[in-house]
Amino acid sequence: AQTVTQSQPEMSVQEAETVTLSCTYDTSESDYYLFWYKQPPSRQMILVIRQEAYKQQNATENRFSVNFQKAAKSFSLKISDSQLGDAAMYFCAYRVIQGAQKLVFGQGTRLTINP
Amino acid sequence: EAGVAQSPRYKIIEKRQSVAFWCNPISGHATLYWYQQILGQGPKLLIQFQNNGVVDDSQLPKDRFSAERLKGVDSTLKIQPAKLEDSAVYLCASRLESRFYEQYFGPGTRLTVT
Repeated sequence: AQTVTQSQPEMSVQEAETVTLSCTYDTSESDYYLFWYKQPPSRQMILVIRQEAYKQQNATENRFSVNFQKAAKSFSLKISDSQLGDAAMYFCAYRVIQGAQKLVFGQGTRLTINP
Repeated sequence: EAGVAQSPRYKIIEKRQSVAFWCNPISGHATLYWYQQILGQGPKLLIQFQNNGVVDDSQLPKDRFSAERLKGVDSTLKIQPAKLEDSAVYLCASRLESRFYEQYFGPGTRLTVT
């Protein structure tokens, strides 16, 4: 079974600084997708960034970028120039390409931005 | 484009009572998911529908939980009877069949069982 592990329950960063959130996963599949979702107190899950496993190039979305290490099964999220609005729970998630295509989530990391 | 709608936003019930949640997916989205998110944890899939049919309900506690998706649009999730451990946020998500990777989530329903 696929599992996703986020080893940092909480992280904090100064506004305008850079922070990296860690995620590891376990799978026997070769083709899959990885995601980072943001969940603010409103509970709405918002997609931050996605990575296709077959792509070697790391995904980037504005201030958000990932470091995808397929052999190590590692998928970290880097947030540059942190803003107060970035404060939220961040979840790493995995999905196979074929089959039911459900998302498997990690436990989450609570990110606090200090002004 | 309207997002995924869920109601109610909050519900408080006593154990052994029943409760129902409603979800209206984004128009045209064939796939619908119900997730359970216990406080301090990531969401866990309860059931996935493809149009009217169930694709995956392997983690749905079928002795007390049931779900249906009439006419391939709206869906309801029911718990009867509720237990204390059912206290959680219930998230609904939907996805276009042709969009192979993105699920859109609703705001969720927070259930408290006392």
